[in-house]
Amino acid sequence: GAGVSQSPSNKVTEKGKDVELRCDPISGHTALYWYRQSLGQGLEFLIYFQGNSAPDKSGLPSDRFSAERTGGSVSTLTIQRTQQEDSAVYLCASSLPGFTDTQYFGPGTRLTVL
Amino acid sequence: GQQLNQSPQSMFIQEGEDVSMNCTSSSIFNTWLWYKQDPGEGPVLLIALYKAGELTSNGRLTAQFGITRKDSFLNISASIPSDVGIYFCAGLSYGGATNKLIFGTGTLLAVQP
Repeated sequence: GAGVSQSPSNKVTEKGKDVELRCDPISGHTALYWYRQSLGQGLEFLIYFQGNSAPDKSGLPSDRFSAERTGGSVSTLTIQRTQQEDSAVYLCASSLPGFTDTQYFGPGTRLTVL
Repeated sequence: GQQLNQSPQSMFIQEGEDVSMNCTSSSIFNTWLWYKQDPGEGPVLLIALYKAGELTSNGRLTAQFGITRKDSFLNISASIPSDVGIYFCAGLSYGGATNKLIFGTGTLLAVQP
């Protein structure tokens, strides 16, 4: 498809388990962003990738969160030892380099930690 | 993380009414953006504002970039049922290695036919 895709759309897991969330950006978009949206809240920046540059991880809430981007395209957000407070919608966005104001968002992954 | 103050938190209106929502910040932004999020979807950009005092329209939507660069508002005229959703403002913060979007807390809009 032409847009940003994310998988899975929903993930239910037990406290303490690890989860991986996947994002496929728009082809040609070298900038990729991850956000977290908690219930009733706005989007919280997590991490930013741009080409081969070192990612900006300044928004990751703890060392249980990590992300990688292989081949400059697909990205995976990993949450280790999940906690109930990790329950949220995780959104991915992509853009052309330098066009932070024109990000295209995926539909998100709704994570529920029981 | 940092978030903008957005109000109102929710609005329940009749079809045909006009709607107004706003965002304020303690920081100056160089760009203000307004997004709409439908259930189960990611936010979609509605309007982008790049200059203090700028007033921009997109169909029934009108947004303004405040003169102080610390606020912005969005108006929707003659609302229709498909306007239902969550509206977010976002300010673009320049600095460091990354230009980041700082989002408001959202305004939930419900439109009754």
